[in-house]
Amino acid sequence: LAKTTQPISMDSYEGQEVNITCSHNNIATNDYITWYQQFPSQGPRFIIQGYKTKVTNEVASLFIPADRKSSTLSLPRVSLSDTAVYYCLVGEAGGYNKLIFGAGTRLAVHP
Amino acid sequence: SQTIHQWPATLVQPVGSPLSLECTVEGTSNPNLYWYRQAAGRGLQLLFYSVGIGQISSEVPQNLSASRPQDRQFILSSKKLLLSDSGFYLCAWDGISGNTIYFGEGSWLTVV
Repeated sequence: LAKTTQPISMDSYEGQEVNITCSHNNIATNDYITWYQQFPSQGPRFIIQGYKTKVTNEVASLFIPADRKSSTLSLPRVSLSDTAVYYCLVGEAGGYNKLIFGAGTRLAVHP
Repeated sequence: SQTIHQWPATLVQPVGSPLSLECTVEGTSNPNLYWYRQAAGRGLQLLFYSVGIGQISSEVPQNLSASRPQDRQFILSSKKLLLSDSGFYLCAWDGISGNTIYFGEGSWLTVV
């Protein structure tokens, strides 16, 4: 299973764009990249998933370079409610996912 | 639509007492099921996962056990709780895509 590395914490201000980068040097051919968001006392919530290039949804964008050894979650115009822990996961399609969560990135958005 | 429920939401148990946390999934069949634990302010630790009835894989040796008596039911148990078992326990299941998992509401366990 590919291991991920991401910053422990980040600070931002309301209205700014936040980019959180995750390194996954040992990503395998079948692995997808998925980002989750977790608020205190809640389970992680799916944000976005991608395999290569760029993916965008109503919440965020995910940028994946051609070598797929890293990925960047981009949150446009953050608000206070985006304060949370963000996890980057790399996993293989199909069963036996055994998705392993790292420590995540604790994002604090300030007024 | 698929939903996942776990209970109880919170419990306080004395050291040495037994534990039973239950999780059920609705709206899907033959899901992969997971138990994670999160200590206060820490990341998620995978405890157990199951790909089918009676099939349990343990990721971390400990005094906890898991069982899957039915396709959509996953139970986390302990015969004798330790102080170090305190934490936030999360049940999860695989999404249809197989690459996304969905979490329950979580159960806060405090061992005193």
